[in-house]
Order: sequence, then C-alpha cells, then structure tokens
Amino acid sequence: RKEVEQDPGPFNVPEGATVAFNCTYSNSASQSFFWYRQDCRKEPKLLMSVYSSGNEDGRFTAQLNRASQYISLLIRDSKLSDSATYLCVVNRRGSQGNLIFGKGTKLSVKP
Amino acid sequence: DTAVSQTPKYLVTQMGNDKSIKCEQNLGHDTMYWYKQDSKKFLKIMFSYNNKELIINETVPNRFSPKSPDKAHLNLHINSLELGDSAVYFCASSFGKEKPQHFGDGTRLSIL
Repeated sequence: RKEVEQDPGPFNVPEGATVAFNCTYSNSASQSFFWYRQDCRKEPKLLMSVYSSGNEDGRFTAQLNRASQYISLLIRDSKLSDSATYLCVVNRRGSQGNLIFGKGTKLSVKP
Repeated sequence: DTAVSQTPKYLVTQMGNDKSIKCEQNLGHDTMYWYKQDSKKFLKIMFSYNNKELIINETVPNRFSPKSPDKAHLNLHINSLELGDSAVYFCASSFGKEKPQHFGDGTRLSIL
C-alpha cells in the first residue's frame, strides 16, 4: 500500500459545483496532515492544515478520520480559479518525520 | 521579499556536465528540503537539512550532493548529469520537520 493515495482525477466540474477529494494514508502513527494546491508549472502552496476535529476556511472544508486513515477536502461553490492539482500531505513518523506528498488530484472548473 | 528563492529558474545543459542549483530562504526557518518532480508530476523528497545537519537522504544517486553553508541556504550540486535527471527541482523550508513547508518556484532542468 502506498503511503499516501489519492484519486488522480481529473475532476471536471461546472462553476458553482461542490466537489470532494479523498485521500488515504498508510501510517497510523501520522500526526500532521495538510492539503496543498499546485497550479500548472508552479510550486505547491499550502491550502490548509487538517485538524482532528475538522476545519473550514471559507469555501474549503477539511476532514480527518483517524480510524479509517482517511482525509477529505470539500470545495463549495467552485470558482474557475480553483482549477489546480490538490495534493494530500501526511507526515512520516519516525526519526526523520518528513512530509509525504500524494500524487495529487486534478480539478478543472469549467464556465 | 521572496520567501524561498532558487536559482536558476531554467537550466538546460548537456549530459555529463556538472551543475548547481542554489536556494535561499528569508523566513527564519530551521529546516530546508530538496524535492524532485518528474514528468509524471510526482513530488518526491531527496534531502532535508535541519540547522545545517543532514536529516533525510532518500535513495538518491551519490551524483547529487547537497550543501548547507548556513540554515538559510541549501544548495544542490549534481555531477555527471544524465537524461533521467530532467525534472523540476523544488527547494522548500519549514519550522521543524513536520510543519507546513514553503516552496521556491522551482528549477526546470533539461538534459540534452
């Protein structure tokens, strides 16, 4: 099983739609979770951290289910500018503790 | 006032050459990283330094040698470049090993 798995998409949705991305991780000891977005030919940028109780930032809601080792990102009222690749990121516990990036889910929002 | 800056942005060179990529961050972070993103867009960590000390060295050919002169800089030197080295290389930094990372805008390396 890969350390971080995401549906690669692409997800093609109309403006205004609600879209959800899922991510699973293999290391049950992981403690830090993030969603990043990466625009075409740009660097990854932090979208939001994911907290155990779930958290919201405007139109974006992140959820964490530790029992199922599952993370989700919900985007409401999609905008054209939301088109990007969304990367699920989980820390690797242990002596190194570095972050592991999923391969990303591509979102395309159409007019 | 760029937070993480890397140079050059584009690097086109021939197989067998040696090249360096520089990275500097002005965020006061203590941990810096090098990632490789290949044509399949998979972002994979190569190295990580914490306060100038190497803490992560993934399975990377020893042709790749990172150097951290101080905690604000992490440079990457590559010897004997190969076709498979063509990719985008991202530098990143963070406070500690598990905190969100801030990325530079990448160096696009093309090997002819």
